[in-house]
Amino acid sequence: NAGVTQTPKFQVLKTGQSMTLQCAQDMNHEYMSWYRQDPGMGLRLIHYSVGAGITDQGEVPNGYNVSRSTTEDFPLRLLSAAPSQTSVYFCASSSPGKNTGELFFGEGSRLTVL
Amino acid sequence: AQSVTQLGSHVSVSEGALVLLRCNYSSSVPPYLFWYVQYPNQGLQLLLKYTSAATLVKGINGFEAEFKKSETSFHLTKPSAHMSDAAEYFCAVSAPYSSASKIIFGSGTRLSIRP
Repeated sequence: NAGVTQTPKFQVLKTGQSMTLQCAQDMNHEYMSWYRQDPGMGLRLIHYSVGAGITDQGEVPNGYNVSRSTTEDFPLRLLSAAPSQTSVYFCASSSPGKNTGELFFGEGSRLTVL
Repeated sequence: AQSVTQLGSHVSVSEGALVLLRCNYSSSVPPYLFWYVQYPNQGLQLLLKYTSAATLVKGINGFEAEFKKSETSFHLTKPSAHMSDAAEYFCAVSAPYSSASKIIFGSGTRLSIRP
């Protein structure tokens, strides 16, 4: 039972570099999302998608891009990394209409930008 | 608009003692309320949820929470703490039948257990 799988688990970048955080789920969930977790701030929504081909911005979208070409995958792209993007990133999925409000989370990707 | 406030960023209890983690919410509509737990180096997982049925909700690992509308609270309790309960706990709120993108998380409470 894989659930939500995130890669990589750890990454160190230099300012200005780009990278993609991968997220895949095998539960056929329509809804997928990316959060960042910072100390004392809880989880903040970056981008989300309600189905293939549909994405929207969350609370803190600046500096991040997403796309949703398949139901299973929802990658998060950092185009030009900044130290302020040092954080732990979580991908989460949900099935609208079932288990309302229950998000299934990946194990997280810890990103450090120097 | 909805919001959630967790009182106390860090709570420390002795093994075997009562665990009480506080959560107060604000919502313009009858809310759905959740507690999530995050063990070290892991993602969040649902502990329990209130979706307008019974006001006392039982979750996994012996935790329970009571929805009190008059106090706008949804505190999490466990009668006897175990070392394995050490984790960070997040309270969350949403409106019924709304998109998961509308779930609002609190800032979290780290629970430590003293031997």
